[in-house]
Amino acid sequence: SQQGEEDPQALSIQEGENATMNCSYKTSINNLQWYRQNSGRGLVHLILIRSNEREKHSGRLRVTLDTSKKSSSLLITASRAADTASYFCATGETGANNLFFGTGTRLTVIP
Amino acid sequence: ETGVTQTPRHLVMGMTNKKSLKCEQHLGHNAMYWYKQSAKKPLELMFVYSLEERVENNSVPSRFSPECPNSSHLFLHLHTLQPEDSALYLCASSQGADRDGTEAFFGQGTRLTVV
Repeated sequence: SQQGEEDPQALSIQEGENATMNCSYKTSINNLQWYRQNSGRGLVHLILIRSNEREKHSGRLRVTLDTSKKSSSLLITASRAADTASYFCATGETGANNLFFGTGTRLTVIP
Repeated sequence: ETGVTQTPRHLVMGMTNKKSLKCEQHLGHNAMYWYKQSAKKPLELMFVYSLEERVENNSVPSRFSPECPNSSHLFLHLHTLQPEDSALYLCASSQGADRDGTEAFFGQGTRLTVV
């Protein structure tokens, strides 16, 4: 399968703590993206990291990419109750329009 | 508001009905996608259109029929569906494949229930 796989499937933390989610994939990629989904709604793009990048930051988000291990991680620092959502990684291939998603991590931030 | 609009938001249909899902984007994107999201499963990429031509069809049953009349509109025609087709159907658009990758913008989805 070309799809990514997130770990853990579910994560529950206290507000203010950091949340780390991992993604593993199987194929060669051009880029890896993280998305967020509130319950029953559409996905919202968070951050894109290219295959030649190792780390990227956006606000409280930090993404790493290890192409040798075919894995990525998403760190949300100083979490807030509003961060409660499902988080998905998606992989894109060079020259292709396809974007393949994993099963997601359900994050619950307890106020 | 992501710039991608899906209608209807909710749809209940019988197994013998014919209905259509609509997706519209005014972002100037040239690629559009249909995804199916079922509980506890990865998002399933169903169809991809690039410059109004279908470029991906991931073994989707023929009871799902996509249509892309222009770069701003995408339809998913449904007929003789099964209860297991009940899911959230998501439309997305992007600028299209390029060397550096591109993010996808999603609509809010259509929650489909087949009875």
